[in-house]
Amino acid sequence: AQTVTQSQPEMSVQEAETVTLSCTYDTSENNYYLFWYKQPPSRQMILVIRQEAYKQQNATENRFSVNFQKAAKSFSLKISDSQLGDTAMYFCAFPSSGTYKYIFGTGTRLKVLA
Amino acid sequence: DVKVTQSSRYLVKRTGEKVFLECVQDMDHENMFWYRQDPGLGLRLIYFSYDVKMKEKGDIPEGYSVSREKKERFSLILESASTNQTSMYLCASLLAGTYEQYFGPGTRLTVT
Repeated sequence: AQTVTQSQPEMSVQEAETVTLSCTYDTSENNYYLFWYKQPPSRQMILVIRQEAYKQQNATENRFSVNFQKAAKSFSLKISDSQLGDTAMYFCAFPSSGTYKYIFGTGTRLKVLA
Repeated sequence: DVKVTQSSRYLVKRTGEKVFLECVQDMDHENMFWYRQDPGLGLRLIYFSYDVKMKEKGDIPEGYSVSREKKERFSLILESASTNQTSMYLCASLLAGTYEQYFGPGTRLTVT
C-alpha cells in the first residue's frame, strides 16, 4: 500500500531561522510527483512546492526547498529565514499510482515564534 | 486567478438531517475532490469526480454521496448526518494532465 508518514506532529522555530519538516513515503512506482501543501490558520490550503521523482535536482521555491532522497523515499521540506506568515499546517502528499487520488500525510503544525 | 469556493464556512446541523455541501470552481477543471480533515488523520478522500456525472469512491465514502451535474459544481451529500461526521470538509479541483490541486476554504460542519 502507498503511504505517507510525517513523524513530527508539531514544531516551532524562531523567526529568521531555518527549519526542516520530514516526510517519508512508500510507493513501488518509479515516476511520480511529490508535494508539500501549506494550510495557514483559517485560510485555504496552497501548494508550496513540488518535486518530480525523475528529476535528481531538488526543487526550490524562494525560501522553500526540498531534500529529495529517492532511494530512501524521503522528501523533507526546508524553510529558510522563517517568517511569521509561515505559521501553518504543512502536508506532504503524492498521487496514488496512475490516478489523481492523493495520499496525504497527517500534517506537521509549524509555529514561527517572534 | 484560480478560484474554488464552498457554500458555507461553518455549518451546524442536527443528527439525521440531510446535508448538502456545495463546491464550485471557475477553472474548467475536469477533476474535483471532496476530503475530510480531522486532527491527527490528515486529509482523507471521500469521493472524487473525473468528469460530469462521473464519480469514484475514495477511502471513506460510507455515509456520503456526491453529485456532479455540471462541470464547475461538485456537491457532497450527507444522507443522514451523524455526530461522527463532525469535521472539516475540503473541496479541491485539478486540471487533467497536471497534478496540482486547488483547494476551497473548507466547511467546518458540526452535527449535534
